[in-house]
Amino acid sequence: EPEVTQTPSHQVTQMGQEVILRCVPISNHLYFYWYRQILGQKVEFLVSFYNNEISEKSEIFDDQFSVERPDGSNFTLKIRSTKLEDSAMYFCASSEALTLSISNEQFFGPGTRLTVL
Amino acid sequence: RKEVEQDPGPFNVPEGATVAFNCTYSNSASQSFFWYRQDCRKEPKLLMSVYSSGNEDGRFTAQLNRASQYISLLIRDSKLSDSATYLCVVNIIRGGSYIPTFGRGTSLIVHP
Repeated sequence: EPEVTQTPSHQVTQMGQEVILRCVPISNHLYFYWYRQILGQKVEFLVSFYNNEISEKSEIFDDQFSVERPDGSNFTLKIRSTKLEDSAMYFCASSEALTLSISNEQFFGPGTRLTVL
Repeated sequence: RKEVEQDPGPFNVPEGATVAFNCTYSNSASQSFFWYRQDCRKEPKLLMSVYSSGNEDGRFTAQLNRASQYISLLIRDSKLSDSATYLCVVNIIRGGSYIPTFGRGTSLIVHP
C-alpha cells in the first residue's frame, strides 16, 4: 500500500539553526500539506502546496518557513532560524485532489519530531 | 469560542459499550467535516468523512447537525483496539480559503 514517508524521524537542533524536514508524498498525489503538533496540543495546519506553489497558508507559516518541491518526489519544509517554540511533531500529508472534496482523503506521514535546544 | 471544540475526555468505557463524541464548530460557512483517529505519538488517520445525511461504516456512525453546528461520532460494540484519540476536522473558511482545522481530540480508553 502506498504511503507518505518522512525523514528524519527525529531531528535535534540548536536554536537559531536552519532545519529541513523531508517528505516523499504518494506518487500520484497532487496536493501536499504540512502540519505541526506541539506535544499535548492539537494538529495545526501550516501550508498546502499545489502545482509548485503555495495554495494556502496559516498565520503560523511566517517568513521563517518555506516549502519546496525540489524534484519530482520530495517535498520539503525549511525553518530558517529555529526557535524553542518550533519544537513539535511535523506531519506531511498528501492527497489526490483538493481537500475541499468530502470524498478526498489526506494521507499523513509518520511525522518528524523536531526538538530545538 | 474556539473554531473547533471537543470534550478532551478521557472516555473510559468497557469493551462492548457504545460511546458517542461531539464536536462543535464556530464557522457556519464550514463545508466539509471529518473524523480522524490518532494513536499515541502516531500520525492522524482518516476514520470517516461526515456527510450531511449522516453515514455509517460498520460500528461507526457519523452525524452532522448544521443548524446547531456540531458533528458526532458514535462507536458501537467498542473494542480494545478502539482506544485512541479521535480528532474532529472541519474545513473552515478563512480569508476566502478553506483551511483544515483540527479539534484537540477526544481520548477514548476501552478496558476489558
